[in-house]
Formats: sequence, C-alpha cells, structure tokens
Amino acid sequence: DQQVKQNSPSLSVQEGRISILNCDYTNSMFDYFLWYKKYPAEGPTFLISISSIKDKNEDGRFTVFLNKSAKHLSLHIVPSQPGDSAVYFCAAMNYGGSQGNLIFGKGTKLSVKP
Amino acid sequence: NAGVTQTPKFRVLKTGQSMTLLCAQDMNHEYMYWYRQDPGMGLRLIHYSVGEGTTAKGEVPDGYNVSRLKKQNFLLGLESAAPSQTSVYFCASSYSIAAGSEQFFGPGTRLTVL
Repeated sequence: DQQVKQNSPSLSVQEGRISILNCDYTNSMFDYFLWYKKYPAEGPTFLISISSIKDKNEDGRFTVFLNKSAKHLSLHIVPSQPGDSAVYFCAAMNYGGSQGNLIFGKGTKLSVKP
Repeated sequence: NAGVTQTPKFRVLKTGQSMTLLCAQDMNHEYMYWYRQDPGMGLRLIHYSVGEGTTAKGEVPDGYNVSRLKKQNFLLGLESAAPSQTSVYFCASSYSIAAGSEQFFGPGTRLTVL
C-alpha cells in the first residue's frame, strides 16, 4: 500500500506560469516532507522541505504548502522556467523513528514549454 | 568534492551471476542508503547503514547484501542475479537523520539482468 502518492504522472505548463505539483500521504506518523528533483541519467537532488510544525516553506521560486488535516502537500514553482523540466519526487519520513528512511512517491514529470 | 559516486554506471548480467555495486562519498557522512528505482515507481529503500560496520534492512532487501567496512564506502551485492533485479540503483548519504539533513544521491547504476 502506497504511503506517499503522487497521482499526476505528468504536468505540462507554459513558461512564466505557475506549476503546482501535488502529493498525498496516508501515514499520520510522517513529520517531515521533502521534494526532490531528478533530471534524466542523474540522481535526485534535494529541492525544498517542510516540517510538520509548519504549513508553508518558501525558497526563491519554490514554495511548499502542507495541509496536515488533509494529509496533503503541494509544491508551487513561480514563475516556471524550461530548466525546471524534470521529474519531481515527494518524500516523507518519520523523523522520530525511521533512521532517516525516506518514503518516496512515484514522481511527477514536469514539462515547462517555452 | 566529488560528493557521492557510484561504480559502475552500467552493467549487464546473466541470470545467476553475481556482482557488487560500489558507492563512495567524500563528505564524511555517517548515514548511507541504497535505493532502487523501477519504471513508473518511486525510489524504494533496499538497505541502509547508520555508521561504519553497521547495516540494516530497508523496504525491499531480499536478494541483496551490503557491507560498510569503511565509513566512506557502502557496497551492494547481488549473489545470484534475477531478471526482477533489473533496475536503476541509487546510493545516497546524509550527515545525520535530523530534520533538515538532506540525503545526497549518486548518479545511479543501470543494471540489466538477462
């Protein structure tokens, strides 16, 4: 049973517009959430994270929102750029009990068109 | 700094053959991880290590063994390869498991088992 779900396999957005990537989780023990970005033939790279004690974290063009009651988080990219085209993975962890183990979603492939 | 490196980048095996994947990190990280990524799937944890000389099972450990004889190296072994082990393997490391301590990933090893 998937604990972290990214229900949209792909998303296409025009350059300059907002990209919104969504992620749902089922395990209420998760208390830390991360987004990773992955280009083809490369390993994932860390993008942004959020603790369960917050509902928003912002870093430049990237903002992550967390809705604990809905067990939902989203990544907003504004404005979107062609270089943002990649696969985005949502990941979650139970900081208190997991030895740092991350549970990943299946990923969403973002295409930003010029 | 090279970060996290993986050897080899590509490998083709026949069913029943054995091989070892090498992961090396030069960031003096305590924690190291092996993941596999299959098409349309997120990354799944195979084994991990919380320090030199320690290893533990992750989500999908069957058919794999690991060793962490040196802090900077984490080896993943396949004793008798099976077609189901065809995948892309990623190694990662982190300084700690504290919230905010991101995992750094290697570029991956693409393994095909015929």
